[in-house]
Amino acid sequence: GAGVSQTPSNKVTEKGKYVELRCDPISGHTALYWYRQSLGQGPEFLIYFQGTGAADDSGLPNDRFFAVRPEGSVSTLKIQRTERGDSAVYLCASSLRRTGVFRNEQFFGPGTRLTVL
Amino acid sequence: QQQVKQSPQSLIVQKGGISIINCAYENTAFDYFPWYQQFPGKGPALLIAIRPDVSEKKEGRFTISFNKSAKQFSLHIMDSQPGDSATYFCAASMNTGFQKLVFGTGTRLLVSP
Repeated sequence: GAGVSQTPSNKVTEKGKYVELRCDPISGHTALYWYRQSLGQGPEFLIYFQGTGAADDSGLPNDRFFAVRPEGSVSTLKIQRTERGDSAVYLCASSLRRTGVFRNEQFFGPGTRLTVL
Repeated sequence: QQQVKQSPQSLIVQKGGISIINCAYENTAFDYFPWYQQFPGKGPALLIAIRPDVSEKKEGRFTISFNKSAKQFSLHIMDSQPGDSATYFCAASMNTGFQKLVFGTGTRLLVSP
């Protein structure tokens, strides 16, 4: 079956530009997460959506970062006034939200590699 | 603040050998400890996970050992194969209504033929 897809796979932009990164979760998955993975590091949590609402955005580094999920499916991570330090792989993950399960497995997409020149 | 510390950073093991990766955590509120495997150009994939009420969990060639008092857990890969060559991440999460994973820094494993 189709997994989590992310587009574009690579994005090169110039410092100060605006970028949008898209995530298509697995169909039926109501929970959606964004993580950022810097070179040689583990993924770091950015934001979590349950349905259409951002239930936890505590990982967003500053107000240049914003994410939406208007219809509870596709999500877009938006970065304004990009900086060189924003260069990283941005990962999206989705999961079911089943009650009675200890933890619902997160399924990760392949990521978008963002390079800010 | 690095809440999950992972070692070693890289590991080379001969085919058929045992690969061991260690992690230590600080936050005693963590109650779920998964391991993820990541191949180049791919996202992490769940390999095996453990809850703190058990000391060991085995799935095929992969075993997690968990020491709650020491706040440490480790991944053992038995009979390591070249196809196991990948980056492995330990992680932890707590019961907050959703699963906000805190990852270690990763271990790059190379299994030589």
